This record gives sequence, C-alpha cells and structure tokens, in this order.
Amino acid sequence: AQSVTQLGSHVSVSEGALVLLRCNYSSSVPPYLFWYVQYPNQGLQLLLKYTTGATLVKGINGFEAEFKKSETSFHLTKPSAHMSDAAEYFCAVETQGAQKLVFGQGTRLTINP
Amino acid sequence: ETGVTQSPTHLIKTRGQQVTLRCSSQSGHNTVSWYQQALGQGPQFIFQYYREEENGRGNFPPRFSGLQFPNYSSELNVNALELDDSALYLCASSSGLAGVTETQYFGPGTRLLVL
Repeated sequence: AQSVTQLGSHVSVSEGALVLLRCNYSSSVPPYLFWYVQYPNQGLQLLLKYTTGATLVKGINGFEAEFKKSETSFHLTKPSAHMSDAAEYFCAVETQGAQKLVFGQGTRLTINP
Repeated sequence: ETGVTQSPTHLIKTRGQQVTLRCSSQSGHNTVSWYQQALGQGPQFIFQYYREEENGRGNFPPRFSGLQFPNYSSELNVNALELDDSALYLCASSSGLAGVTETQYFGPGTRLLVL
C-alpha cells in the first residue's frame, strides 16, 4: 500500500528565508507525486506534480520539488519565503491506475516578518 | 471556464440524520472524486465516479454513497450520520480517468458538523 509521510507538522521560517517542506513516500511501483496548498477555509490548489522525466519540477509561486528515487523523497522548496506563502501544504502520491490520491498529514507553514 | 463548485459551504446536522452534498465539476471534466478531510488531517479518498459509474472506493462504510449525473455533476450522500463524520468534504474533478496527466482540481469544500 502507498503511504506518505510529511516530516514536521509545523514549519516556521522568516520572510525571505529558504522554505523546505519534507515528504517521503512508500510505493511498490514508480509513483506520481504532487504538492497541494490549502489556504484557510479553502480547497486544495495544485502547486506542482511529478509524473515522469525530469526529476526537478517547477511549480507555481516560485516553488519547486525534486524527486529522489533512492531516498523515496519529494521535498518542496522555495528560495525566499513570502508572507503570502503561509498555508497548509500537502504531499500526495498516486499510482497509475489506482484512481486515487493518498495524502500526507500536511505541514502548516508560518512566515515570520 | 468555471472551476469546481460545491454546495452548501457549511452544514450542521445531528447524529442519525442523512445529508447530501453536491459538486459541479469543471467544464470538460468527466471524473469526480470525493475526499474527507478531518480537522488537522490530510484528505482521505472516499470514492470516484467516471461517466456515471463508481470507479474506485476507499475505506469508507456503505452508508457513504454517491451519484454522478449525465452532466458529470455529483452528489455524496451520507446516511446515519455519526459524530466522526464531522469534516471538510472535498470534491475534485478531472478529465478522463485519474492517471499520469489527469490532474485533479479541487473545489472549496463543504464543512459538515455533526452534533
């Protein structure tokens, strides 16, 4: 069965600092990986996804993630945090044909002025 | 192009009652998936509908049921509500079956409170 572990339920960084949100997955077959963001009282918005090909994926709002098969990781980064990045971030995995996303528990990102 | 919409936005019910939540998929999308997001948790897959047929189900009891209509909108029905059913219910639509490039687009959700 697939699973996703997000290390750190709460991450706090200063405005302008590097953002690093960690995600590890388990999957018996090559997975498809996603990062979604959820702002308060809203649904989920896709930040980026990895399916095949280049392992460094660029998304919206300056975020990027790198698929590392050997480490079973898909960490999300952003070089310089902005106050508007404060939100809940979810990593998700999907196996082709499984027809469903399996989400991690989420990481709440707080930006300090 | 309109996105995924859900109604109602909020709902309060009591234990034992039944509830129906509605979802309109994004234009051009024929697949709808439903997720339950309990407070402080990640979303959990309930089931998916593709062209009016159930196409995959998560670990939820039969009192969670659904429908998809010819216009690809969908309903989630929950019977005999329990306190633990209190959650944000998210609908996501995609074109074709969820797969390699079929990104799921989420609606804003319906927040259900069971008292």
